[in-house]
Amino acid sequence: EAGVAQSPRYKIIEKRQSVAFWCNPISGHATLYWYQQILGQGPKLLIQFQNNGVVDDSQLPKDRFSAERLKGVDSTLKIQPAKLEDSAVYLCASSFDRYQETQYFGPGTRLLVL
Amino acid sequence: SQQGEEDPQALSIQEGENATMNCSYKTSINNLQWYRQNSGRGLVHLILIRSNEREKHSGRLRVTLDTSKKSSSLLITASRAADTASYFCATLPRSYNTDKLIFGTGTRLQVFP
Repeated sequence: EAGVAQSPRYKIIEKRQSVAFWCNPISGHATLYWYQQILGQGPKLLIQFQNNGVVDDSQLPKDRFSAERLKGVDSTLKIQPAKLEDSAVYLCASSFDRYQETQYFGPGTRLLVL
Repeated sequence: SQQGEEDPQALSIQEGENATMNCSYKTSINNLQWYRQNSGRGLVHLILIRSNEREKHSGRLRVTLDTSKKSSSLLITASRAADTASYFCATLPRSYNTDKLIFGTGTRLQVFP
């Protein structure tokens, strides 16, 4: 079974630029999560999708971050414009459904904002 | 905000020794999970313990849960160099309207050959 795929693996941008991350969850997984992991901390949930609907985006900085999962499969997370404090690893995870307890994580995208 | 706090923040041991790391959390939970993260990689689910369980084993892993103290411990026995990683506890709070995992701050484990 293929795992959660993410791209790119690394991205370096200057502040005020835009960036987008892509995630392809495990086939058949209805629930998709985006996490932000700042160096030295645990992951923090940014947004959770159930199919193509948003379940929780309470910690998403909506003035600069946006995410979509239009067809209920792949998802894109965008930052526009980026700030220095956005430097982090962005992790995508999926689960069969929102009440399945185990989440499967992708390798993450490491973002550096200069 | 992060629910869990791991202790210690960092741990260095020799191969063959046991490694114990602890997690404390703040609110009532449905379950507590442990994840491993190798450097530069995503997280891998290790083990889940439910709120009505006190101990669980999986291979060289042993997890305990004390809901009265709101704490859990992860024991890795006979450690190997390949166990070098960061370990995170994650809790699923007991709330009817949330299925959001809340991660702790992690313990960095270094196992020397």
